[in-house]
Amino acid sequence: DAKTTQPTSMDCAEGRAANLPCNHSTISGNEYVYWYRQIHSQGPQYIIHGLKNNETNEMASLIITEDRKSSTLILPHATLRDTAVYYCIVRDFWASYDKVIFGPGTSLSVIP
Amino acid sequence: KAGVTQTPRYLIKTRGQQVTLSCSPISGHRSVSWYQQTPGQGLQFLFEYFSETQRNKGNFPGRFSGRQFSNSRSEMNVSTLELGDSALYLCASSLEPGAGNTIYFGEGSWLTVV
Repeated sequence: DAKTTQPTSMDCAEGRAANLPCNHSTISGNEYVYWYRQIHSQGPQYIIHGLKNNETNEMASLIITEDRKSSTLILPHATLRDTAVYYCIVRDFWASYDKVIFGPGTSLSVIP
Repeated sequence: KAGVTQTPRYLIKTRGQQVTLSCSPISGHRSVSWYQQTPGQGLQFLFEYFSETQRNKGNFPGRFSGRQFSNSRSEMNVSTLELGDSALYLCASSLEPGAGNTIYFGEGSWLTVV
């Protein structure tokens, strides 16, 4: 089962910041938070990941709360091409195997 | 740098046939995993390979098999196809196993079984 919960859907106006929340209240100290998105009919696209600190790259920013129980993915200036399903997952650094478990994700609609 | 490449992208097979899907990981990546994605079940883990060894297998019947070659390329095979095998099959790669290594997905192979 997925260890994260996300809103089912969100809307965002084009050009505005899209803030996508994720709850991972049972996260352990060894677990990373990863974000992916999937545009219909395509493979999931990696966006960003973090362990404790906030992270930023050319696509997005990731804000992780101090207690690490939740995080927010920020797309600073959403465009129509950002319309997709966004998945927040946790991955255990010490797991004996390596697999991703996606939950239902958040369907983000960017509105013109 | 080329991403994860999967072939074929689309294919249609008949019930009872078998199919082989191919995956070329990102150059330098030695860990490859496979997933099945359907609207009803979401993304489900099939298997994971590292250095030609299957490290873990998901809860799928024995009709689903895979392998990894010395150049890290991987194939998965589904025998005796059933209608329920219609899905998007995704391959993913990373440098090595472990949460510190980002997993990158290919565009997938769309399999339709008729």
